[in-house]
Amino acid sequence: GQQVMQIPQYQHVQEGEDFTTYCNSSTTLSNIQWYKQRPGGHPVFLIQLVKSGEVKKQKRLTFQFGEAKKNSSLHITATQTTDVGTYFCAGFMGSSNTGKLIFGQGTTLQVKP
Amino acid sequence: NAGVTQTPKFRVLKTGQSMTLLCAQDMNHEYMYWYRQDPGMGLRLIHYSVGEGTTAKGEVPDGYNVSRLKKQNFLLGLESAAPSQTSVYFCASSYSRWDYNEQFFGPGTRLTVL
Repeated sequence: GQQVMQIPQYQHVQEGEDFTTYCNSSTTLSNIQWYKQRPGGHPVFLIQLVKSGEVKKQKRLTFQFGEAKKNSSLHITATQTTDVGTYFCAGFMGSSNTGKLIFGQGTTLQVKP
Repeated sequence: NAGVTQTPKFRVLKTGQSMTLLCAQDMNHEYMYWYRQDPGMGLRLIHYSVGEGTTAKGEVPDGYNVSRLKKQNFLLGLESAAPSQTSVYFCASSYSRWDYNEQFFGPGTRLTVL
């Protein structure tokens, strides 16, 4: 079936190191959303990308949407302990009336102080 | 403004028992969703609703039923619980079209079926 694959599943970094998670789809996406879930918490919306090749920044976080709208990435520069959590991408496939938002499996980030 | 609330927060059921999870939102959102989260599986959509009185199946609807009698409430029912339904259940809502609107999630319900 339609899938959104996310890698890596886990990442352990030293505080100050960079971190990247990748999201790949088998089909073209209308848009892609990114969410963050802190340990024991619920997913919280971070950003949405709509246009081919789009790049958006939020402080130390950089989000990219691929030219073919089949992949996306989240890059965190100089990680901090507050970045700990699981990052999910969610891609929308299909038309507005019949399509679905499909979540990736998530990347869990651990940051060692 | 409470946002999205879920009741209960925790529940333990025996196989074959039934229960209803309640989701409420006070943001006047049209769309509401029920997801389950299992380790390594991400969030999988169970059922969703695009407005009061409407429901539709998601990726993993078997064993669940839903109702949206009031715009602010979305109920998830398990008629005969099975151990495979042990999971964390999240409700979410969005203002309108879910392809262009962020989803607001509730705090989750942790369900264990013995």
